[in-house]
Amino acid sequence: QQPVQSPQAVILREGEDAVINCSSSKALYSVHWYRQKHGEAPVFLMILLKGGEQKGHEKISASFNEKKQQSSLYLTASQLSYSGTYFCGSGEGGSEKLVFGKGTKLTVNP
Amino acid sequence: NAGVMQNPRHLVRRRGQEARLRCSPMKGHSHVYWYRQLPEEGLKFMVYLQKENIIDESGMPKERFSAEFPKEGPSILRIQQVVRGDSAAYFCASSSQGSGYEQYFGPGTRLTVT
Repeated sequence: QQPVQSPQAVILREGEDAVINCSSSKALYSVHWYRQKHGEAPVFLMILLKGGEQKGHEKISASFNEKKQQSSLYLTASQLSYSGTYFCGSGEGGSEKLVFGKGTKLTVNP
Repeated sequence: NAGVMQNPRHLVRRRGQEARLRCSPMKGHSHVYWYRQLPEEGLKFMVYLQKENIIDESGMPKERFSAEFPKEGPSILRIQQVVRGDSAAYFCASSSQGSGYEQYFGPGTRLTVT
């Protein structure tokens, strides 16, 4: 079942913060976050496996709620290089394939 | 450590021809996944392979599409008798282990069917 991402698009000024959500109607085995720039390959950001888990990567961090049905990606003090489309991919218990959401297009302007 | 490699990067085929897409996983990775992406859309899982085995092909069309990952050499996604609807970006990803491990993507092959 495809996870639902929100918002579909967001426009920021450099230095502003953003939150991207990824939710499912059932518990997920794992959540994978990727960023893709136009015409390029998706780049791995982070993976969350445990309910209640939080992870950080410089100014980008993510959380996975206790029920493992929602994950949020936090971008703080955004930089121009953060622009791109962010995808969450759900791993569904024992299946190695990822089911991706439709993506959130983030634009950071000067 | 070299990343995931795919070739060709761009492929143009006429309707009815065959397309062969190749993917070499990262060194040390034995799990390969193929995804398809249409313009302005997300990635759709096609097939998951380990060396010499197809583990999950639930996302691959039953006809005209096939995939392999031989003991030696790259993984190959083959599309026979291509149609215009096959035009898309095809990405392969690899991981060191299966479920719960990060997948690293190659640069993709952009297939155009004329």
